[in-house]
Amino acid sequence: AQSVAQPEDQVNVAEGNPLTVKCTYSVSGNPYLFWYVQYPNRGLQFLLKYITGDNLVKGSYGFEAEFNKSQTSFHLKKPSALVSDSALYFCAVSPGAEYNFNKFYFGSGTKLNVKP
Amino acid sequence: GAGVSQSPSNKVTEKGKDVELRCDPISGHTALYWYRQSLGQGLEFLIYFQGNSAPDKSGLPSDRFSAERTGGSVSTLTIQRTQQEDSAVYLCASGSSYNEQFFGPGTRLTVL
Repeated sequence: AQSVAQPEDQVNVAEGNPLTVKCTYSVSGNPYLFWYVQYPNRGLQFLLKYITGDNLVKGSYGFEAEFNKSQTSFHLKKPSALVSDSALYFCAVSPGAEYNFNKFYFGSGTKLNVKP
Repeated sequence: GAGVSQSPSNKVTEKGKDVELRCDPISGHTALYWYRQSLGQGLEFLIYFQGNSAPDKSGLPSDRFSAERTGGSVSTLTIQRTQQEDSAVYLCASGSSYNEQFFGPGTRLTVL
C-alpha cells in the first residue's frame, strides 16, 4: 500500500537555528516527492519538488529537501529558521510515471513552531 | 494570473440538507483533485479527475458524496443528507502531468 509518514506532529525550533521536518514514504516505482506549506486560514502552497536528478532540491523561502532513496526519505530542511516559517507542512508523494502518477498521497502534516 | 477558485468560501447548513461545493481549476490543467481537511488534521483524498478518464473515486467516504467535472473544467462536489461529521474544509487542487498541484483556498463546511 502507498503511504507517507510524517513522524512528528510538531517541531519546535528557535529562530536562527536549523530546522528539519521529516518525511518517509512507501510508494511503488520511482516516486515524485513534494513539500507544501499551509499558513493559518490559507490554502496549501507549493514549496519544492523532486522528480529526478540531483537529490538535493531547493525551493521557496530558503527551504531545501534531500531525496534519499535507500532510506525512502525526503526531509525538509532550512539552515536558519524564521518566526514567519511557523506553519503546517505537508509531505506528498506520487508514484512514478509507470503508475498512476497523478495520484498524490499526503502525510498527516507537521506543525512547525519557530520561537523568537 | 488566475489560480484555483472555490465557492462558497464558507457554508453553514443543517444536518440532512444537501450541499454543492464548486471548484474552478486553472485553465488548461487536466487533473483536478478534491480533498477534505478536518480541523488540525491532514489531507484526506476524496476524488481525482484526469482528462477524459474515469475519475478515481476511491477516497469518497460514503455514497452520500459525489463529484462531477463538466467539460473538463469546473467541478462540483455534492454531499447529500449532510451529517455533522462532514464538517471540514474541502480543498480543490488542479495540476498537469507530474507537476505540483495548485490548491484553492477551500470551502469551510459547517453542519449544524
